[in-house]
Amino acid sequence: DAKTTQPNSMESNEEEPVHLPCNHSTISGTDYIHWYRQLPSQGPEYVIHGLTSNVNNRMASLAIAEDRKSSTLILHRATLRDAAVYYCILRGPVWGTPLVFGKGTRLSVIA
Amino acid sequence: EPEVTQTPSHQVTQMGQEVILRCVPISNHLYFYWYRQILGQKVEFLVSFYNNEISEKSEIFDDQFSVERPDGSNFTLKIRSTKLEDSAMYFCASTRADTQYFGPGTRLTVL
Repeated sequence: DAKTTQPNSMESNEEEPVHLPCNHSTISGTDYIHWYRQLPSQGPEYVIHGLTSNVNNRMASLAIAEDRKSSTLILHRATLRDAAVYYCILRGPVWGTPLVFGKGTRLSVIA
Repeated sequence: EPEVTQTPSHQVTQMGQEVILRCVPISNHLYFYWYRQILGQKVEFLVSFYNNEISEKSEIFDDQFSVERPDGSNFTLKIRSTKLEDSAMYFCASTRADTQYFGPGTRLTVL
């Protein structure tokens, strides 16, 4: 599996935007970029995914670099509930492929 | 919104005992998974299940582990003879496409 690199931790003030970076320089042409998060004492939760174009949903935005070697998860207004570990995961196009989790980025949100 | 459910939320067992962890995946999903997370460590893939058989398994999933979908709704993970190092959170997940939905987990404590 192609590897991703994320900062160990980040901090944000409440109600400010947060940009969580992920490097994936060995990404293949068919790998999708997935983001999941894990709130304290809960199971992982899907956030967003994309292939080449930037993506938006109700939770977040995903900005993908033109060369696809990096991406950024954007939380537009961080809330205390967004404090979690965020995982950037590369996944091939085949349905059913298991997820390979790294250590992720632990996001702290300060009130 | 449909969700994956898991029972029990916490299981305490003696080393060498058999345990069965239960999951009810989302009803129209096709792929089912078990992951585990040892305290303070990464989420690790154990096994995936599709069309009533194991489709992929990790090195962790040895002969002590088995999975079953005994009826149309439940998905179980059995550990035949538990070891101290099996203590972890066990997460069930399911998908019908490219997004995995995780349950809240079962905390297994082996004494």
